[in-house]
Amino acid sequence: AQSVTQLGSHVSVSEGALVLLRCNYSSSVPPYLFWYVQYPNQGLQLLLKYTTGATLVKGINGFEAEFKKSETSFHLTKPSAHMSDAAEYFCAVSETGGFKTIFGAGTRLFVKA
Amino acid sequence: GAGVSQSPRYKVAKRGQDVALRCDPISGHVSLFWYQQALGQGPEFLTYFQNEAQLDKSGLPSDRFFAERPEGSVSTLKIQRTQQEDSAVYLCASTGREALNTGELFFGEGSRLTVL
Repeated sequence: AQSVTQLGSHVSVSEGALVLLRCNYSSSVPPYLFWYVQYPNQGLQLLLKYTTGATLVKGINGFEAEFKKSETSFHLTKPSAHMSDAAEYFCAVSETGGFKTIFGAGTRLFVKA
Repeated sequence: GAGVSQSPRYKVAKRGQDVALRCDPISGHVSLFWYQQALGQGPEFLTYFQNEAQLDKSGLPSDRFFAERPEGSVSTLKIQRTQQEDSAVYLCASTGREALNTGELFFGEGSRLTVL
């Protein structure tokens, strides 16, 4: 069965600092991995995804994530935080060829001026 | 339409009332999903349709929950005899045939249900 663990329900960084949001997954087959962002009172929006190929994936708004099979991780990073990055971030996994996407509990990112 | 549309955005129900939540997916999207998001939690899978066929309803928490998509487009999630624990945001998502196997989902803004 698939599962996703996001380490840290809240992360606080200063504007301009590195953003690192951690995600570990469990899957019995090669996974597809996603990061979604949710702004207040809005639905989830896809930031980036890993399906196959290059393990370093670039997404929107300067975010990127690296798939590390040996560590079963898919951590999200951004070199320099902006105030507009403050939101809830969800890591998600779906099995290759499957349709059910499983989400982590989310990490709320706070950005301090 | 341009995006996934859900209505109502907010619904307050008295315990025991029935509610119906509507989802209008992106035009042409064959797959439609319902998720439940409790406060401070990630979305939890409820059910999945491919066209009009409900292929997976394993996430529906009880037989009070029922979903349908009779013509393969608009979907309705119905909750009978609502309980306080049903209070949550109900998210609808759709995906097109080209993204079906990658799991990329396009979400609506959700329907926030509060049961008093």
